[in-house]
Amino acid sequence: GIQVEQSPPDLILQEGANSTLRCNFSDSVNNLQWFHQNPWGQLINLFYIPSGTKQNGRLSATTVATERYSLLYISSSQTTDSGVYFCAVSFLSNDMRFGAGTRLTVKP
Amino acid sequence: KAGVTQTPRYLIKTRGQQVTLSCSPISGHRSVSWYQQTPGQGLQFLFEYFSETQRNKGNFPGRFSGRQFSNSRSEMNVSTLELGDSALYLCASSLGLAGDTDTQYFGPGTRLTVL
Repeated sequence: GIQVEQSPPDLILQEGANSTLRCNFSDSVNNLQWFHQNPWGQLINLFYIPSGTKQNGRLSATTVATERYSLLYISSSQTTDSGVYFCAVSFLSNDMRFGAGTRLTVKP
Repeated sequence: KAGVTQTPRYLIKTRGQQVTLSCSPISGHRSVSWYQQTPGQGLQFLFEYFSETQRNKGNFPGRFSGRQFSNSRSEMNVSTLELGDSALYLCASSLGLAGDTDTQYFGPGTRLTVL
């Protein structure tokens, strides 16, 4: 099955710093989504991005499908950005497979 | 529009018991997927139901089962509970199959503790 690897596993930042999270996947995908899980466990969809680039406020994401990776950029980080960021992919309309996540801690 | 709801939110069971968890998707959504989240294994896919039919299944033993009703509400059942079944169980709903749609909406989860 598809392998999904996220890096780094942990990231600690000062408020206001920028960061880049990476997701590598082992096969062609037809669906790729980024999620944020807050400290209370709620998962929120950030981007649907099987290819190309999207931006939403301080967050942006890029997926280079031919090279099998996706990047999530967080600019001017805030303490509310803390939590775990997951990349999830699907191949040929199968189920969504999640990476192990990147745990982000933003310190004031 | 109401979000995805899961009941109960917390549950404590003992080994050998069985448990049933419920998930109500967003109105109009036909797909419900279930996931198990543990510190050691992360987020693992259990199964997906679409229009009352199981469409995909993850690599879990037969003790884990589910079903979906005509109103798209879904239940999952775990029989003969083991300590390792302690986890946060998340369900997600989407308009179409999870792999085909652009957004899955997750519920708050049910935290199961097996003693």
